Amino acid sequence: DTGVSQNPRHKITKRGQNVTFRCDPISEHNRLYWYRQTLGQGPEFLTYFQNEAQLEKSRLLSDRFSAERPKGSFSTLEIQRTEQGDSAMYLCASSLDGAAGTYEQYFGPGTRLTVT
Amino acid sequence: AQSVTQLGSHVSVSEGALVLLRCNYSSSVPPYLFWYVQYPNQGLQLLLKYTTGATLVKGINGFEAEFKKSETSFHLTKPSAHMSDAAEYFCAVSEDTGFQKLVFGTGTRLLVSP
Repeated sequence: DTGVSQNPRHKITKRGQNVTFRCDPISEHNRLYWYRQTLGQGPEFLTYFQNEAQLEKSRLLSDRFSAERPKGSFSTLEIQRTEQGDSAMYLCASSLDGAAGTYEQYFGPGTRLTVT
Repeated sequence: AQSVTQLGSHVSVSEGALVLLRCNYSSSVPPYLFWYVQYPNQGLQLLLKYTTGATLVKGINGFEAEFKKSETSFHLTKPSAHMSDAAEYFCAVSEDTGFQKLVFGTGTRLLVSP
């Protein structure tokens, strides 16, 4: 088990460009979460998948944001027409549903996005 | 709605001194509470969690926290600080029994001096 991985670790893009991030959860975990963390703040929930189904989305997730989890394995988060306010650390986490006592979310190292 | 308040954005201690990081929560139902640690440019690592049962929870690296319902608190302590404890600490709450979204506090940066 290699933990949650995220790629890329860093992304610099110009305003108006589209970016896509990838998250690979722990292999047996059926739940996957995306959070956003801005400087000096705690992570804020963006969206959540159970297997391939996206079950909840935060109001922070504007129409420019879309997330997918095809086949219930890895997930992608796409931001279209990036704005400087999108600059943040994007964190992915996964957890296992149904196993007693193992509900904690395991976080990846994050993707740091800088929009210039 | 759930919320978490972490008192003190920065806490400074000497190596070997007691560490106390404060967390108060707001929740309309029995909460599930967590402490995470974040080192620079890294993701979050779970230190400990409270779900049900014993209110004093022991975690990794010698940390522990006590759930006090009457005070709506979940303060994190460690008897003796080590230089390697210097990091950002986040308290989080979830009240969904399905352990869905976590609501985090703004974090407390722990500084440890020799």
